[in-house]
Amino acid sequence: DAKTTQPPSMDCAEGRAANLPCNHSTISGNEYVYWYRQIHSQGPQYIIHGLKNNETNEMASLIITEDRKSSTLILPHATLRDTAVYYCIAFRDDKIIFGKGTRLHILP
Amino acid sequence: EPEVTQTPSHQVTQMGQEVILRCVPISNHLYFYWYRQILGQKVEFLVSFYNNEISEKSEIFDDQFSVERPDGSNFTLKIRSTKLEDSAMYFCASTPSGWGPATNEKLFFGSGTQLSVL
Repeated sequence: DAKTTQPPSMDCAEGRAANLPCNHSTISGNEYVYWYRQIHSQGPQYIIHGLKNNETNEMASLIITEDRKSSTLILPHATLRDTAVYYCIAFRDDKIIFGKGTRLHILP
Repeated sequence: EPEVTQTPSHQVTQMGQEVILRCVPISNHLYFYWYRQILGQKVEFLVSFYNNEISEKSEIFDDQFSVERPDGSNFTLKIRSTKLEDSAMYFCASTPSGWGPATNEKLFFGSGTQLSVL
């Protein structure tokens, strides 16, 4: 099973970059790395995904290591609204499996 | 941006009663999913649905659960005889094509239905 490891929680000062790490050492060569977040008890929200190259969109940047065993989600200028649980997604038999994620606290 | 819509946002029911949770997936999407999240716990996969049949289901999705696409727009989850432990937030999700690790697609989630079984 593809499995991910994330720190359970992180703090980040408002306005600073939040860097959220994820280890996914068993990911297969053709599997994308996906990141979602869940604000309070809302539905999970898509953030970004990538295969091997770094990716950037209006929400975040994704840095994937060359060996693809880990990645980092970067929120460039964190705001209080970015307080959420962030999930680095693993797959099993083509089903998305949510882990416990990283609870990101943005400090004013 | 198009959204997955779920109704009702809150549902309260008595133990043993049947409930139907409703979802309107994004209009051109073909694959549909239900997930649930018990308070304080992880989001758990329940079932995936394509071409009017179940593609996969988890061990949670036992005989008391069923899904249906009754018309061209709705996707429903029925729980026949609710138990206290069915109390959870239920999320519907959809994607244009089969979603998996190598498909380069996004899975879109609704905002959920909070089910409380008393």
